[in-house]
Amino acid sequence: QKEVEQNSGPLSVPEGAIASLNCTYSDRVSQSFFWYRQYSGKSPELIMSIYSNGDKEDGRFTAQLNKASQYVSLLIRDSQPSDSATYLCAVRSGGGADGLTFGKGTHLIIQP
Amino acid sequence: ETGVTQTPRHLVMGMTNKKSLKCEQHLGHNAMYWYKQSAKKPLELMFVYSLEERVENNSVPSRFSPECPNSSHLFLHLHTLQPEDSALYLCASSQDQASGIARQETQYFGPGTRLLVL
Repeated sequence: QKEVEQNSGPLSVPEGAIASLNCTYSDRVSQSFFWYRQYSGKSPELIMSIYSNGDKEDGRFTAQLNKASQYVSLLIRDSQPSDSATYLCAVRSGGGADGLTFGKGTHLIIQP
Repeated sequence: ETGVTQTPRHLVMGMTNKKSLKCEQHLGHNAMYWYKQSAKKPLELMFVYSLEERVENNSVPSRFSPECPNSSHLFLHLHTLQPEDSALYLCASSQDQASGIARQETQYFGPGTRLLVL
């Protein structure tokens, strides 16, 4: 049974600070890792994807992957109120057309 | 807009009704997916289609019946649903990596259909 674990929160972070979101996964052969942002009542929107160990930066977002520890994280620098949303961690085991296994998501609140 | 559209956006149906959800992708992808999102639960994969063939059925009850007539369209036919089937149904598409394009496997989601079964 593939599982993806996230702290559901809410995680409250002051505006301008760094928000740190964490995720662990159970399937050791997982190859692809994604962070989606979902606003209330909306569908998930891709924020970052990462495939190799280490860090990947895109603007204010940094994804970190450690396959040995089966751990993925997302850092959001200079947090803005518009970053307030639920962040979903998703993991894919194979290549090709393979469904994603999602965590329950972390509810992030950026306090002005 | 992600290039994936879904209709209807909202649907209320009785347990004896038959209805269909429609998804269309304009991204040139060759794989499409149905997911279910219920309150307090993670997104659950229901069906996967690659090159118009079903490649995964994630133990979904037979009252849900998918159809993929071509690579751009995906349907979910609903009949004799239960109140616990009320949820947000999301369609997604991606480019199958087996086509030779590496790392083009990101799934893009449509806006979803909010379903209420009475």
